[in-house]
Amino acid sequence: AQSVTQLGSHVSVSEGALVLLRCNYSSSVPPYLFWYVQYPNQGLQLLLKYTSAATLVKGINGFEAEFKKSETSFHLTKPSAHMSDAAEYFCAVIQGGETSGSRLTFGEGTQLTVNP
Amino acid sequence: DTEVTQTPKHLVMGMTNKKSLKCEQHMGHRAMYWYKQKAKKPPELMFVYSYEKLSINESVPSRFSPECPNSSLLNLHLHALQPEDSALYLCASSQDWGHRYYGYTFGSGTRLTVV
Repeated sequence: AQSVTQLGSHVSVSEGALVLLRCNYSSSVPPYLFWYVQYPNQGLQLLLKYTSAATLVKGINGFEAEFKKSETSFHLTKPSAHMSDAAEYFCAVIQGGETSGSRLTFGEGTQLTVNP
Repeated sequence: DTEVTQTPKHLVMGMTNKKSLKCEQHMGHRAMYWYKQKAKKPPELMFVYSYEKLSINESVPSRFSPECPNSSLLNLHLHALQPEDSALYLCASSQDWGHRYYGYTFGSGTRLTVV
């Protein structure tokens, strides 16, 4: 079974600083990986996805993530944090395939706080 | 239209009430999902519908009853709920359940409180 682990349930950065949210995956097959963001009292919005086309994936709102097979990682980064980036971030993997259907399962989430 | 629309946004119901949550998408997606999210936790899969047929029930209690009347609409019927069922209920859709390439599009959720 495929799974993801997010390191750090809370991350705090200053406005303008680098944002780094960590995600490691466990998979015996090439994984399909996603980052979602959830603002308070809202649903989940897709930030970016890795589907094996390119190892460096650019997403919305200035975020990007790099797939590193050697490290089984898919960390999310943003060069300069903005106050509006404060939210819960979920790394996710789709399990299953053509014969068994897909299941999108999530890591435990990382709460990002941006300090002025 | 690239949205999943959920109604109502908020719902308060008593333990003896019957209510329904509604989810709608017009993206031509053939898979739809219900997730439950408790506070400070990730969403957990409840049901999967693929081509309007129930494909996965993740051992959800029978007081939750899903329904997919057509390819654009997904309902979740609620009856005799317990206070611990209070949560954010999220609906999602994807182009095709069988292909992992497609991510899921989520609605904004229904915040359910059982009193």
